[in-house]
Amino acid sequence: GAVVSQHPSWVICKSGTSVKIECRSLDFQATTMFWYRQFPKQSLMLMATSNEGSKATYEQGVEKDKFLINHASLTLSTLTVTSAHPEDSSFYICSARDGQGGYNEQFFGPGTRLTVL
Amino acid sequence: AQSVTQLDSQVPVFEEAPVELRCNYSSSVSVYLFWYVQYPNQGLQLLLKYLSGSTLVKGINGFEAEFNKSQTSFHLRKPSVHISDTAEYFCAVSDRASGYSTLTFGKGTMLLVSP
Repeated sequence: GAVVSQHPSWVICKSGTSVKIECRSLDFQATTMFWYRQFPKQSLMLMATSNEGSKATYEQGVEKDKFLINHASLTLSTLTVTSAHPEDSSFYICSARDGQGGYNEQFFGPGTRLTVL
Repeated sequence: AQSVTQLDSQVPVFEEAPVELRCNYSSSVSVYLFWYVQYPNQGLQLLLKYLSGSTLVKGINGFEAEFNKSQTSFHLRKPSVHISDTAEYFCAVSDRASGYSTLTFGKGTMLLVSP
């Protein structure tokens, strides 16, 4: 089956620093990747959608200058949290969609736990 | 726009008992429906999906769900649960026009299975 990995699985950083999270599709080409944010005991909220080679589309209320998304290749997307603050602490999950066939299911990564001190 | 309501935030149940997790949706267009499971500190795993055809959908780990268009529901069921089924379960919807592109999730239901 399709596998999506994320790195790191968890990260702790100081307030004011930037953190980069990688999302990789290991055995398929992901024409579209999605980034979600999940607070404790809550659902997943879509932050942005990125298509390979083009700018990401951000959901309303998500600061594009704070959450930088790059989808430079068909297997890699990165989310950079710039000048992180404690309120950015959350579980970040990516998913990838294989646009090659008619079966355009989203496959989810294992998530990255970000803690900002 | 779509919305998903999971009526129960937590469902406690004893091992080997049957369980039903409820999901209702709202949409002005035709939709695809999904159930995902999330184990602690992990991503989401697809349990089952309804795209078209038979309204009774069978998924992995013995789960099944039934699409009821008139009641706009997609309840998840399992006849006999195991301890290992303890997890968070999310119902999600995607409008047919966007394919699987945009998923809207419910708030989740925590299934707690006790021995």
